[in-house]
Amino acid sequence: LAKTTQPISMDSYEGQEVNITCSHNNIATNDYITWYQQFPSQGPRFIIQGYKTKVTNEVASLFIPADRKSSTLSLPRVSLSDTAVYYCLVGDYRADGLTFGKGTHLIIQP
Amino acid sequence: ETGVTQSPTHLIKTRGQQVTLRCSSQSGHNTVSWYQQALGQGPQFIFQYYREEENGRGNFPPRFSGLQFPNYSSELNVNALELDDSALYLCASSSTPATDTQYFGPGTRLTVL
Repeated sequence: LAKTTQPISMDSYEGQEVNITCSHNNIATNDYITWYQQFPSQGPRFIIQGYKTKVTNEVASLFIPADRKSSTLSLPRVSLSDTAVYYCLVGDYRADGLTFGKGTHLIIQP
Repeated sequence: ETGVTQSPTHLIKTRGQQVTLRCSSQSGHNTVSWYQQALGQGPQFIFQYYREEENGRGNFPPRFSGLQFPNYSSELNVNALELDDSALYLCASSSTPATDTQYFGPGTRLTVL
């Protein structure tokens, strides 16, 4: 599975757009990029997934450049409740399970 | 639609004991995966069960074992507990084995003294 690198922590303010970038230089042709969100004392929650270009859902957008060596999770107009750890995962997710790194701890301030 | 549930919420054991954690999968899901999450770390894959058979395993010793029942609920058993087994144990269910979209339960916090 491709290794990912993302910032350990980020700070922002309510109402701002937050972009979290993940590097995955060794991504394979069959790999997808998936982001999960985890609040304290809860299990991770699927946010968004993409293969290339741009994906948008009701929660976030995912931008993937043509070389697919990085991806950016974009959270529009964040609120205090968006304070959480965000994990970037890359792989084709066969039976060896999901591979989580340490994630990015996003802190939103008033 | 019922989500993934886990029991108990918290558990305290002593070194050398055995523990059983339980998970009920989301309605319609036939696959259950277990993860261990140490403090400050991301979840680490333990193993996956699909149709009552182990369908993949991470880098965990044999004293970590599991079961899946006909109703797709699952148990995680850990024998000979060690201090380093203290962690949040997460169960995730999915509609198929090979998927990146898994639905996690709230976890069981295990403390080994």
